[in-house]
Amino acid sequence: QSVLTQPPSVSGAPGQRVTISCTGSSSNIGAGYDVHWYQQLPGTAPKLLIYGNNNRPSGVPDRLSGSKSGTSASLAITGLQAEDEADYYCQSYDSNLSGQVFGGGTKLTVL
Amino acid sequence: QVQLVQSGAEVKKPGASVKVSCKASGYSFTGYYMHWLRQAPGQGLEWMGIINPSGGGTNYAQEVQGRVTMTRDTSTSTVYMELSSLRSEDTAVYYCARGNYYSSGYLDAFDVWGRGTMVTVSS
Repeated sequence: QSVLTQPPSVSGAPGQRVTISCTGSSSNIGAGYDVHWYQQLPGTAPKLLIYGNNNRPSGVPDRLSGSKSGTSASLAITGLQAEDEADYYCQSYDSNLSGQVFGGGTKLTVL
Repeated sequence: QVQLVQSGAEVKKPGASVKVSCKASGYSFTGYYMHWLRQAPGQGLEWMGIINPSGGGTNYAQEVQGRVTMTRDTSTSTVYMELSSLRSEDTAVYYCARGNYYSSGYLDAFDVWGRGTMVTVSS
């Protein structure tokens, strides 16, 4: 059971917009700790997409964006492309556990 | 270029220990915290702990506290993760990842990852 809750799967057609939610609690996202997002392609290491809720590292396209409100955060992907098909994970810090925590991951399927 | 190179796959028996290495290059080794994470087959990511390559200070996740030891060798820019008393549930890909963007390593996002080391625990 992951500390952060993500939907197991989402899907969308090419060109569409999808969002992936990440729900936490008062000891992590709700306590004000930042949320980071990763993309993981099969058989590879995760790749950082968003840090600090809504900041993109160099090289990440601006059709990806992040937001945070209350005890939840979201990753939005616009202009969906076939290469976006992957697993996505959210991450934050939890004060009760004194460590980093992750969501269980969301599999994005491009129809 | 910035990269983390991990040691190769391991197969261990229950009760044994494993030590995985992660060699950093392309940046100031002591300028960034290093984290260890793992991912069991078909499962999500689990954070294991953090080491400060500068002073060697560590903090471990409750899940592996007492069984994990993280160390570093500044002369070779290498960090190590040793996990003892292995059980079948420890079968996973183990990653080292560089922390970045925060002065406190505990809030880090992980911007550079190793390719992972598969550790299989089987009798």
